[in-house]
Amino acid sequence: NAGVTQTPKFQVLKTGQSMTLQCAQDMNHEYMSWYRQDPGMGLRLIHYSVGAGITDQGEVPNGYNVSRSTTEDFPLRLLSAAPSQTSVYFCASSYGGERPFFGQGTRLTVV
Amino acid sequence: KNEVEQSPQNLTAQEGEFITINCSYSVGISALHWLQQHPGGGIVSLFMLSSGKKKHGRLIATINIQEKHSSLHITASHPRDSAVYICAVRGPGNQFYFGTGTSLTVIP
Repeated sequence: NAGVTQTPKFQVLKTGQSMTLQCAQDMNHEYMSWYRQDPGMGLRLIHYSVGAGITDQGEVPNGYNVSRSTTEDFPLRLLSAAPSQTSVYFCASSYGGERPFFGQGTRLTVV
Repeated sequence: KNEVEQSPQNLTAQEGEFITINCSYSVGISALHWLQQHPGGGIVSLFMLSSGKKKHGRLIATINIQEKHSSLHITASHPRDSAVYICAVRGPGNQFYFGTGTSLTVIP
């Protein structure tokens, strides 16, 4: 039981490049979400999913895309990276209203 | 607007001191969570509360639903308690709202 596996841990991108952050959980959680964490701000919700085939936007969705083809996986795609997307990204999963489990985080720098 | 407010933002304590971190929220909630984020970044859940009080080792969490307020207490603090503590509430639609965190440093 690995919990939530998030990769990569670090990434540097050039402006305009695209990439996918991977997130997988093995706990059969229906709720998965992506957050970004910036200095002086709380975790902000980018996108979330309440089950396979269902996704919705959070507070800061622009520039990001998600899909949920299986219960286990919830990748986050950066379509055309911008310096404003430099941040630490966290994937999380939970079962109903229960405690969330977080991935280890991805520190992304866009130059 | 911040649905979740934490205080203090930063806290330095001597080893052994009793520590309190406060959280106030403005939305209707189904549950409140206290999270811990260590240097290096990983976030773990410490408590989930919907009423009353919970205790785990030296950590105690309380919630007052009427006043929309929660506190996290650490008794006999230790340097390994140094971390960022984050208050999060689960609001309408099961969405989480997060505080900005309290950075705790415990000095030996």
